[in-house]
Amino acid sequence: QSALTQPPSASGSPGQSVTISCTGTSSDIGSYNYVSWYQQHPGKAPKLMIYEVTERPSGVPDRFSGSKSGNTASLTVSGLQAEDEADYYCSSFADSNTLIFGGGTKLTVL
Amino acid sequence: EVQLLESGGGLVQPGGSLRLSCAASGFTFRRNAVGWVRQAAGKGLEWVSGISGDGDNTNYADSVKGRFTISRDNVKNTLYLQMNSLRVDDTAVYYCAKGLAWWYGVDAWGQGTTVTVSS
Repeated sequence: QSALTQPPSASGSPGQSVTISCTGTSSDIGSYNYVSWYQQHPGKAPKLMIYEVTERPSGVPDRFSGSKSGNTASLTVSGLQAEDEADYYCSSFADSNTLIFGGGTKLTVL
Repeated sequence: EVQLLESGGGLVQPGGSLRLSCAASGFTFRRNAVGWVRQAAGKGLEWVSGISGDGDNTNYADSVKGRFTISRDNVKNTLYLQMNSLRVDDTAVYYCAKGLAWWYGVDAWGQGTTVTVSS
């Protein structure tokens, strides 16, 4: 099972919005509304930010939002803040009955 | 508060074995799928294995199938990963993970335990 495809980097200035894409196939993202997004700061464990494409766990700011179209999912971070600088990973349930992750995107707040 | 505490990591030679444990608390362990996700240094996340709440269903990434075995003890609220025939490319931080339903995502993570496979 191949990893989902994410851009290696993204950036934006404080207050701006940035969108990170996550491209899969009809065997994963295209077939299931089980896309999640995680934030990982250096040396820390990942943290769930979005699940089931658009849902936010309790405590996650509404500046984080998710969407999906076809085989591609997206994470949008609005009103960028310095603490948003981190690595972001997407994941999707797949036909193989497993979970696959994207390669990760390093978000830089300029 | 959900807590997942891994242990058992360390240095092992290629071809060797290691058993990881994950002590869980803060949720009804027997009702939840749990598993393992690993991350090599400077690399991305890789789902390794998962097990259903009752232990009847297990699944593995192709990269570890036949070498790793996942199991759980619902009395001790503990998850295990028996790793045999370890290879250099198994070197990673191994995170204990609580699954969203089955493996629709991961809604809680441990802090990780480091496995180093080297001669």
